[in-house]
This record gives sequence, C-alpha cells and structure tokens, in this order.
Amino acid sequence: KQEVTQIPAALSVPEGENLVLNCSFTDSAIYNLQWFRQDPGKGLTSLLLIQSSQREQTSGRLNASLDKSSGRSTLYIAASQPGDSATYLCAVSNQGGKLIFGQGTELSVKP
Amino acid sequence: DAGVIQSPRHEVTEMGQEVTLRCKPISGHDYLFWYRQTMMRGLELLIYFNNNVPIDDSGMPEDRFSAKMPNASFSTLKIQPSEPRDSAVYFCASSLRSGTGGNAFKNTGELFFGEGSRLTVL
Repeated sequence: KQEVTQIPAALSVPEGENLVLNCSFTDSAIYNLQWFRQDPGKGLTSLLLIQSSQREQTSGRLNASLDKSSGRSTLYIAASQPGDSATYLCAVSNQGGKLIFGQGTELSVKP
Repeated sequence: DAGVIQSPRHEVTEMGQEVTLRCKPISGHDYLFWYRQTMMRGLELLIYFNNNVPIDDSGMPEDRFSAKMPNASFSTLKIQPSEPRDSAVYFCASSLRSGTGGNAFKNTGELFFGEGSRLTVL
C-alpha cells in the first residue's frame, strides 16, 4: 500500500529565502508525481508534474526533483514571496491510475 | 474548456437526508476521481473511474456512500443517509492518460481539480 509523507507539516520563513519542501513515498513503482498548491478555502492547483522517467521539472521559481529509487521528491522554491503562502501537497500515481496525497506542508512567508 | 465543474458548491443538510454531489470532468479525460478533505484526515481518495468504470472504491467509507459515472461527462457521489461526520469538502478531479484528448491536453496523467463541494450535515 502506497503511503506518502510530507515534511515539515508547517514552515515559516522570511521573504526572499530559498526553501525546500520534502515528499517521500513507500512504493517506488510510480507512474508520476505531482505537486499542488492549495489556498485556504480553495481547490487544488497543479504546479509541476514529473513522469516516472524524469528527474526534475522547472516552472519559474519552482523546481521539483524526483528520485524514485529512494522514494523522494523535493519542491524547491527560490526567492520566496508572501504570495507563495499556501499549503503544498504532493501526490503519487501508480500504473493503475490510483493517486495518493501526502498531508501537505503549510507554508507561511513573512514580509 | 471550463475545467472540472462541481455542484453544488455548498450544501447544508440535516442528518438522515440524502445528499447528491455532481461532477462534470474535463472533456476527453479518461480518469475521474472523488476525494474528501477534512482537517483531521487530509485528502482521502474515495473512488476513481477509468473510462466510466469504477476501478477502486476501497476508500468509500461505508455503504452509505455510492458513486456512479453513467457517461464520460457526468459523475455523482451520493450519501444516504447523511451523518454529521460526513461534513467535509468533496473534490472531483479528472486526468487524461490514454489517447491525445485533442490539442488542449496531453496524456500526461496531470490531475485537474474542481472547486469542491462543501458539505455540512447538522
């Protein structure tokens, strides 16, 4: 059974800092891994998707990496801004289509 | 495309009443997921469909919950009878893995969410 863990559960940083969010999964036989952002009271917005054959994806100030063998992914946010404050979730999909989420990391970027 | 559309956005009902949540996935997508989100348990996968066929319903809490997908453009999640502990935000999401889905979406399996249906059972 796939289990997805995100550390830390919450993170508070000053504006401008670079930061790393962590996601680990127990079953390395994945189809893809996806990072999402969720603002309070809102739905989930897709940030980055990494296919199982890929090692990383980049979008603007965001960079996500994937190491299947160790069951880990990281989301790197460069030069953080107060607008980045949100909950970040990672989700892992298996070959059969099942997609499991971690509990998320609540990020607060202070001005 | 308008994205994944869910209705109602908010529902307040009394214990014992039947609740029906609706979802219209993105046109051409071949996977549809129902999730439930609470503060205590986070995002839980309830059930998912592939080409309108239920693949895994192991996350459905109990027999009070049922989900259907009569065609590729519509799905329902029904709770009968509802209980206060069912209060949560229910999300529908869709993705495309097979075929081309037209020019708008590649078959990467990227998941797109609706805005959610917030259910309160009194």
